Amino acid sequence: SQQGEEDPQALSIQEGENATMNCSYKTSINNLQWYRQNSGRGLVHLILIRSNEREKHSGRLRVTLDTSKKSSSLLITASRAADTASYFCATVPEGGSNYKLTFGKGTLLTVNP
Amino acid sequence: NAGVTQTPKFQVLKTGQSMTLQCAQDMNHEYMSWYRQDPGMGLRLIHYSVGAGITDQGEVPNGYNVSRSTTEDFPLRLLSAAPSQTSVYFCASRVRDRMNSPLHFGNGTRLTVT
Repeated sequence: SQQGEEDPQALSIQEGENATMNCSYKTSINNLQWYRQNSGRGLVHLILIRSNEREKHSGRLRVTLDTSKKSSSLLITASRAADTASYFCATVPEGGSNYKLTFGKGTLLTVNP
Repeated sequence: NAGVTQTPKFQVLKTGQSMTLQCAQDMNHEYMSWYRQDPGMGLRLIHYSVGAGITDQGEVPNGYNVSRSTTEDFPLRLLSAAPSQTSVYFCASRVRDRMNSPLHFGNGTRLTVT
């Protein structure tokens, strides 16, 4: 069953603009991870935020976590055509198996040059 | 390091045929897992293993078998393929005992069952 749901399902922007994707989840979590998937490839880990963290940065990526709203957002600043990909959030529910990472359905980001 | 290697990249099967999807990793990861990815469904966990000789079921295990005889390899077997198993299959691995360690994915096997 899906724990995380990304929003929007698809997003199209111009190069240089910022892209924001959201993830909502149903139950309390231990951590939340974001992955990127380029067309025809496997997923690549981007960033992990723990349940006791509120914000995390990695290069042009900024992730926030609001546990009271059970939601997270991924911001990509100054987007590039190479950022075109699907983005997934993934969670481990609090008290759930550490070995069963659950993925959302993803947001397809298109960055137009 | 090659990371996680999946073979074959593409496969077409007829209903009722069997096959094994191969997955190998060279990172000495104890944890390995199989996911399937279907349009509009995201990734769903099929089976996983936390070490040689140890396997367990994920969300959608029916129709699939796994075994783990070595740390490096984690094959996924379809004993009697069905059209509902048409999907893209991903193998992933990570360090077992670090909850916050990221998954490393292979590039997938695209399976079509006719």
